[in-house]
Parts: sequence; structure tokens; C-alpha cells
Amino acid sequence: QVQLQQSGPGLVKPSQTLSLTCAISGDSISTNSAAWNWIRQSPSRGLEWLGRTYYRSKWYSDYAVFVRSRITINPDTSKNQFSLQLKSVTPEDTAVYYCARDLSDYGDCMDVWGQGTTVTVSS
Amino acid sequence: QSVLTQPPSMSAAPGQKVTISCSGSSSNIGSNSVSWYQQLPGTAPKLLIYDNNKRPAGIPDRFSGSKSDTSATLGITGLQTGDEADYYCGTWDRSLSAGEGVFGGGTKLTVL
Repeated sequence: QVQLQQSGPGLVKPSQTLSLTCAISGDSISTNSAAWNWIRQSPSRGLEWLGRTYYRSKWYSDYAVFVRSRITINPDTSKNQFSLQLKSVTPEDTAVYYCARDLSDYGDCMDVWGQGTTVTVSS
Repeated sequence: QSVLTQPPSMSAAPGQKVTISCSGSSSNIGSNSVSWYQQLPGTAPKLLIYDNNKRPAGIPDRFSGSKSDTSATLGITGLQTGDEADYYCGTWDRSLSAGEGVFGGGTKLTVL
């Protein structure tokens, strides 16, 4: 079955860049029927979709408006994984970060989630 | 404040039925499929319902979903103590560029 394994630091200093990776097993990042998302969750803001990357004859990335100026999501086909980079973080970016697969043939639902990474932004 | 509106909490007794509502707008629920997720404490959300009313393999038929216009509903029958969790609705909002994922604020279900 499909599994997503997240990795990355749990502590980031203010103004620095948050970097996380999501390794995919059981599916190909280059599939035409899925997209690869980053979502975060905090008690004050709930679940927030950050963005996604997907392949449809070429690579695309979509980002949430509220983080568009600071976010990059990149695929790595050689390692079958994708990454999140969030620049210029503040304590407001403290959250549990999840990667997730969404299936276009199933109403774009998030059917597989990573285990979550708690990221704290603090000096 | 979340784009989709859910009641913050609900409670019911074991064996009873509960329905959780999710309200949105024409740009999200009104024009896209709705999914529902269950989140147990300390774990990632788990897909319960997709494409408004379909259940993934392994999800019991005690869980059901429906959608009408700009609202969706999750139904749970025969409540069990193991159903005590947070429930979230989710969909896409295509009023902004290629579309953005949106979620409800979550409903904490207590099984008394």
C-alpha cells in the first residue's frame, strides 16, 4: 500500500527556512492521477492547505495565497519524494506539518497522509 | 477562521446516531466533491468519505456522507466509544487561481 514518510527538523529559528521532505513508497510521484500536498495543523488555525505539486505531462505547483510569497514545493523524481520549503518563518508557522496524496479520480480527496512533523519556530 | 463551517463539538450516547454538518459556498462545496476525515488524538487525519458519499475500503457502513448545494453532512450510526475523535470536512475552492484545498474547523465528537 502507499505510504508517506516525512523527515526534517522539528525546530527552526525565526527568519530561517523550514525544510521538510516526504518520501513516497507504493506509488510514483510522476503519476498522472495524483497530486502531492503539504498541509499543516495548529490549535489556533486548524487544518491549512499549503500547496501541492503534480505531473500532467509537465510539473505543476499550486500554492495557498496566504503563503505564496514564501513557499516552494519541489518534486524529486530520482528519490520518489517531494519537499516543502517555507522561508522567513515566524512563530505563527509553528504547527504539525503533514504531507498527503490527493487522487484526482476520487474527488481529489487526501487518501494517504504522512505521520506528521511537529515544527516549532523559536530562537 | 476556517473556510468551511462545522459545529465545534457534538456529543451522543453509544448506539445513537449523529450528523455533523459542513457549510461552505458556491465556489467550494457548491462546485467540488467533499471529503470527510477522522482524526484520533496524536495521529494524522484518516479518510472516511470521499466524493461526497463514497467510503474507502475498510470504512464501515456506519459512516455515510451526503451533499446538497453548498452544504455537506457526515452521518455516523451505532456510535461506539472508538468513534470519539475530531472530524473534518474538506474540499477545494477554485475561485482562486488553480484552486486551493480548504477544510472545516473540525467537530469534536464525544461519545458519552
